[in-house]
Amino acid sequence: GAVVSQHPSRVICKSGTSVKIECRSLDFQATTMFWYRQFPKQSLMLMATSNEGSKATYEQGVEKDKFLINHASLTLSTLTVTSAHPEDSSFYICRADGGGETQYFGPGTRLLVL
Amino acid sequence: GDSVTQMEGPVTLSEEAFLTINCTYTATGYPSLFWYVQYPGEGLQLLLKATKADDKGSNKGFEATYRKETTSFHLEKGSVQVSDSAVYFCALRGVSGGYNKLIFGAGTRLAVHP
Repeated sequence: GAVVSQHPSRVICKSGTSVKIECRSLDFQATTMFWYRQFPKQSLMLMATSNEGSKATYEQGVEKDKFLINHASLTLSTLTVTSAHPEDSSFYICRADGGGETQYFGPGTRLLVL
Repeated sequence: GDSVTQMEGPVTLSEEAFLTINCTYTATGYPSLFWYVQYPGEGLQLLLKATKADDKGSNKGFEATYRKETTSFHLEKGSVQVSDSAVYFCALRGVSGGYNKLIFGAGTRLAVHP
């Protein structure tokens, strides 16, 4: 069964609204969570890395005020896309790292901004 | 910076055909190399890995050998099945900013027909 879940799996929203995506590790504690973005037929691009209880580290070119990441517990990280616009439409994937070989991807969240 | 290049898809094969998906990388130091598979509607799953030169990763009939001299990690399977239809991602893991970051290739879609 899945060891990392994401919610929602799909979301459609109007331009200008904010969307929150949750990533949960189900049976292990994730000290580090990674958030990726995947455009159609393209690779996964790392957006940010977060440790539980500390601020996320964003990759170059990723707006931290637009993509808010909270890693409040060892099993939950959230990505909030603020004031979403159509160009933010994408597939967002999290990866939870429990240390060593314990790391799993979530199933992804498809965001469509109208 | 570090990067991964893999052959473009889609790759369409008949059942029991031989599969090769090429992957080459650019990296400083000695990265670990991975192949991930993404089945329709699911998250990425680790297929196999190799952590040093000349290592061969294998799983479910798939194999890949870490070739440092050619900076390659080609994925092969001797006889594909319909159930192998998925998107395959080559990735490397390097250390940057203190975190183990995965850098992905663009992905190669494989379609196997009966």
